Amino acid sequence: GAVVSQHPSRVICKSGTSVKIECRSLDFQATTMFWYRQFPKKSLMLMATSNEGSKATYEQGVEKDKFLINHASLTLSTLTVTSAHPEDSSFYICSATQTNSNQPQHFGDGTRLSIL
Amino acid sequence: AQSVTQPDIHITVSEGASLELRCNYSYGATPYLFWYVQSPGQGLQLLLKYFSGDTLVQGIKGFEAEFKRSQSSFNLRKPSVHWSDAAEYFCAVVDTGGFKTIFGAGTRLFVKA
Repeated sequence: GAVVSQHPSRVICKSGTSVKIECRSLDFQATTMFWYRQFPKKSLMLMATSNEGSKATYEQGVEKDKFLINHASLTLSTLTVTSAHPEDSSFYICSATQTNSNQPQHFGDGTRLSIL
Repeated sequence: AQSVTQPDIHITVSEGASLELRCNYSYGATPYLFWYVQSPGQGLQLLLKYFSGDTLVQGIKGFEAEFKRSQSSFNLRKPSVHWSDAAEYFCAVVDTGGFKTIFGAGTRLFVKA
């Protein structure tokens, strides 16, 4: 089945540093990738939709300069949390889908980000 | 606007008992509906999906769901729950116009021995 790899699974870093999270589709071409943030005991909050070769579409309230998304190829999207602060600590999950909108999303295992 | 409601924040069932998790959606046309399961600290795994046709869909791990247009519901069921089913379950609807998936708030399933 379709597999999405997300790396790293966990990262702890100091306040002010930038953190890059990678999302790779291993056995299919992902035209569209999504980045979610999940707070403890909460549902997934869509941050942005990333289409290969174009700028990401951010949801209302998500700072595009804070959360940089790059989708340079059909198998890789990256999320960079710039100048991270403790309030950015969260569980970040990516997902990828193939061309058709009726295809289910395939999720990575998530990244637990902790900013000290 | 599309929305998904999961009325139960958490449910506790005994191992071996039957399970039904409720999901109601708001969508103008026939929706694409999904159920996902999330174990702690993990991503989401697709259990089953409904696009069209037979309103009773079978998924993995013995789960099934029934689409009822008249009730705008897509409830998830399992006849006999196993302890390994304890997890968070999310119902979702896809916005066919823009690829977005709208998730419900989730239902936490606890299984007692």
